[in-house]
Amino acid sequence: ETGVTQSPTHLIKTRGQQVTLRCSSQSGHNTVSWYQQALGQGPQFIFQYYREEENGRGNFPPRFSGLQFPNYSSELNVNALELDDSALYLCASSLASGYGSYEQYFGPGTRLTVT
Amino acid sequence: GENVEQHPSTLSVQEGDSAVIKCTYSDSASNYFPWYKQELGKRPQLIIDIRSNVGEKKDQRIAVTLNKTAKHFSLHITETQPEDSAVYFCAAMTGGFKTIFGAGTRLFVKA
Repeated sequence: ETGVTQSPTHLIKTRGQQVTLRCSSQSGHNTVSWYQQALGQGPQFIFQYYREEENGRGNFPPRFSGLQFPNYSSELNVNALELDDSALYLCASSLASGYGSYEQYFGPGTRLTVT
Repeated sequence: GENVEQHPSTLSVQEGDSAVIKCTYSDSASNYFPWYKQELGKRPQLIIDIRSNVGEKKDQRIAVTLNKTAKHFSLHITETQPEDSAVYFCAAMTGGFKTIFGAGTRLFVKA
């Protein structure tokens, strides 16, 4: 198992609400990436945080936002929840060097259900 | 946009046989290609990876090959065991941060 942890494990929200998911990176890692994994599909890249700034973003609307803290932990915030936001949200930590951040290790995920 | 296609979507093999999963990527700037194994209800687990300056890499029963010209990469598992049964994902990373995953291959190893 990796040292990446996520909370909460499961969450049920109503359409239109807001949610915050949390991720603690593996010791020694300085980069966190967030992914959305719908049932039966591969993870989809949401964004990556490095040195407390967004380092790149996938095809997700602005209502998906994030933060990275000085201890490299991270939050994913989703506003105005829609039914299609129901998915497993995974974070992955890695160590960035001058060439990029490659080997990513995933947390156990947060299962979000929007009703 | 960037895309990674993965085949087959389902693969069933007899214990002891080999399994091969193939992926194609679209972004020629992709330079890192990891493979993940995901068991039911668990997190994706990095099992092997390869960088664009290498053509082949092996780790015990698993190996990955990369053909940059054709933008193809493949996972080879030899002497399969029932515990190899899982969903396998290929992925391609661009720019050191954006990782695009394939849709996954469900591997069944029959004892």
